[in-house]
Amino acid sequence: EDQVTQSPEALRLQEGESSSLNCSYTVSGLRGLFWYRQDPGKGPEFLFTLYSAGEEKEKERLKATLTKKESFLHITAPKPEDSATYLCAGGTYSGGGADGLTFGKGTHLIIQP
Amino acid sequence: ETGVTQTPRHLVMGMTNKKSLKCEQHLGHNAMYWYKQSAKKPLELMFVYSLEERVENNSVPSRFSPECPNSSHLFLHLHTLQPEDSALYLCASSQEAGRSPLHFGNGTRLTVT
Repeated sequence: EDQVTQSPEALRLQEGESSSLNCSYTVSGLRGLFWYRQDPGKGPEFLFTLYSAGEEKEKERLKATLTKKESFLHITAPKPEDSATYLCAGGTYSGGGADGLTFGKGTHLIIQP
Repeated sequence: ETGVTQTPRHLVMGMTNKKSLKCEQHLGHNAMYWYKQSAKKPLELMFVYSLEERVENNSVPSRFSPECPNSSHLFLHLHTLQPEDSALYLCASSQEAGRSPLHFGNGTRLTVT
């Protein structure tokens, strides 16, 4: 069974304190590893897609990396506006039709001023 | 209007009511999805449509009935729901299922009384 596990469940950081969020996956036929940000009362907002081990993507203070078993979302010198829930998802394609994404439970990140 | 639009934003219904959720995407995507988001649980894929044809149904109870009349519109018809069906229902679209990122609407917050 496809599974995506995120850790920690919640993380509280001081403004400027860098850290990393983890996403480990067991997804057969993985076609992409996706990171999303979700703010309260809103739908998830797409951040990155990673397709192969060793790939890295950056956007402002965020950098996503991928190995064969896990992905990390590194947050450098975060600001309070980076507070959100970060979701990781694995995309699969069985060849029989369209597939959705398998999501983790997310990491709730709070950045304190 | 751009992106993925969901209506209504909030819905309260009794267990014997019949209601429908609506989703519209303005991105020209080929696949549309319904996801359920409950507290402390990962997003659960309910239905996937690719080019208006349903290709995945993850054993969702028959009290949820999807309809996709064209590639831009998606409905979720609800009847005789249970209190445990209370959740945030998210619609999403993508260009290529499983590999392209999902673009989400802001969801319908459903409460079943």
